[in-house]
Amino acid sequence: QVHLEESGPGLVKPSGTLSLTCAVSGDSISSSNWWSWVRQSPGKGLEWIGEIFHTGATNYNPSLETRLTISVDKSKNQFSLKVNSVTAADTAVYYCARGHQWDLSYSFDYWGQGILVTVSS
Amino acid sequence: DIQLTQSPSSLSASVGDRVTMTCRASQNIMNYLNWYQQIPGKAPNLLIHAASSLQSGVPSRFNGSGSGTDFILTISNLQPEDVAIYYCQESYRIPWTFGQGTKVEIK
Repeated sequence: QVHLEESGPGLVKPSGTLSLTCAVSGDSISSSNWWSWVRQSPGKGLEWIGEIFHTGATNYNPSLETRLTISVDKSKNQFSLKVNSVTAADTAVYYCARGHQWDLSYSFDYWGQGILVTVSS
Repeated sequence: DIQLTQSPSSLSASVGDRVTMTCRASQNIMNYLNWYQQIPGKAPNLLIHAASSLQSGVPSRFNGSGSGTDFILTISNLQPEDVAIYYCQESYRIPWTFGQGTKVEIK
């Protein structure tokens, strides 16, 4: 069974950097899947942040791209997210998810449990 | 970005009822549409991919249909454990986007 687990600080100061890691088990980070970050602001809907392939190829949401870095660590079977210059608007539950390519579609078939990150001084 | 509009924003139905909700895309996305269920306090869970393909382990009372710009998720024989918010998500073009959700409650 595939399992994803987010970790990182739950509190970040404004203008600081949000850093999260997603540990993957039950699948190799070097498989044919993509690895995504999705966030959900309190009481709001879901926003896709970006994704990475094991080769290091990335796709980012243009709305966040200038502040984002997603990286992969194949030796630890995990991937990470950094968001720079955070504000209160970045307060959200952050999920990592596996992006799976089916024959004719692409979807997020496994998710972590989520981690709440609050931006506050 | 592709905009997804879900309706209704919320609905209330009785156990055993058949409920339907819709997702409309701002452009033709063929069948690149997924549905997720999010139970309060939990991560989203994939129900349907490619508009109508039931994800493994998902009860058969969930059914997806549609193509192009208009999509429907139907829950037949509504159960108490189906109380959740349901989101559609397009996989036609990056950035992947989600609808704003339909909240399902039991009367």
